[in-house]
Amino acid sequence: AQTVTQSQPEMSVQEAETVTLSCTYDTSESNYYLFWYKQPPSRQMILVIRQEAYKQQNATENRFSVNFQKAAKSFSLKISDSQLGDTAMYFCATRGSGSARQLTFGSGTQLTVLP
Amino acid sequence: DAGVIQSPRHEVTEMGQEVTLRCKPISGHNSLFWYRQTMMRGLELLIYFNNNVPIDDSGMPEDRFSAKMPNASFSTLKIQPSEPRDSAVYFCASSFTSGRGYNEQFFGPGTRLTVL
Repeated sequence: AQTVTQSQPEMSVQEAETVTLSCTYDTSESNYYLFWYKQPPSRQMILVIRQEAYKQQNATENRFSVNFQKAAKSFSLKISDSQLGDTAMYFCATRGSGSARQLTFGSGTQLTVLP
Repeated sequence: DAGVIQSPRHEVTEMGQEVTLRCKPISGHNSLFWYRQTMMRGLELLIYFNNNVPIDDSGMPEDRFSAKMPNASFSTLKIQPSEPRDSAVYFCASSFTSGRGYNEQFFGPGTRLTVL
């Protein structure tokens, strides 16, 4: 079984500043993947970044990076140089590497980038 | 590629009516997922198929919900009879599943269902 917890329902950040979104998870899988998805007002689910649990190095995608703390089961997302287009709901998710392919999502964090 | 296609984008119906949501996965993908998004429960998996076979339907809320995948390029999610509490956004996602590696799930634009 897998659970994902996002304790920040809403956050805001000034344009060009840096913001960190928190996520903790629990899983019975020995190997698994972690994801951050973005859902803008258009409703489209967009993959932002992913992390394989067996990799110690934190994933980075342009302005987006993660802080993966496996022992603490923590997976936070850092957005640098925030842009107005980053305004969206952000979901943390996990998925096992075995036969269970479905994603388990957190409740989401609504991020607003202020001009 | 056109991505995952869902229809309709919006559906408004009255309680008791049958509702059918449709999904066309990305060509070549062999796994298909139906998720539901509500304010109360967030995003949750309803059912997923691998090679057109339902693998896990434990998320289907009750017998009023049924899903089919008659071929690799089409799936339906049917609600009969519909109830106001079924109002939600329903997402379809697909991926190519091979072995135990990572396979990104690509989401469709969702169907917003409103049951009056």
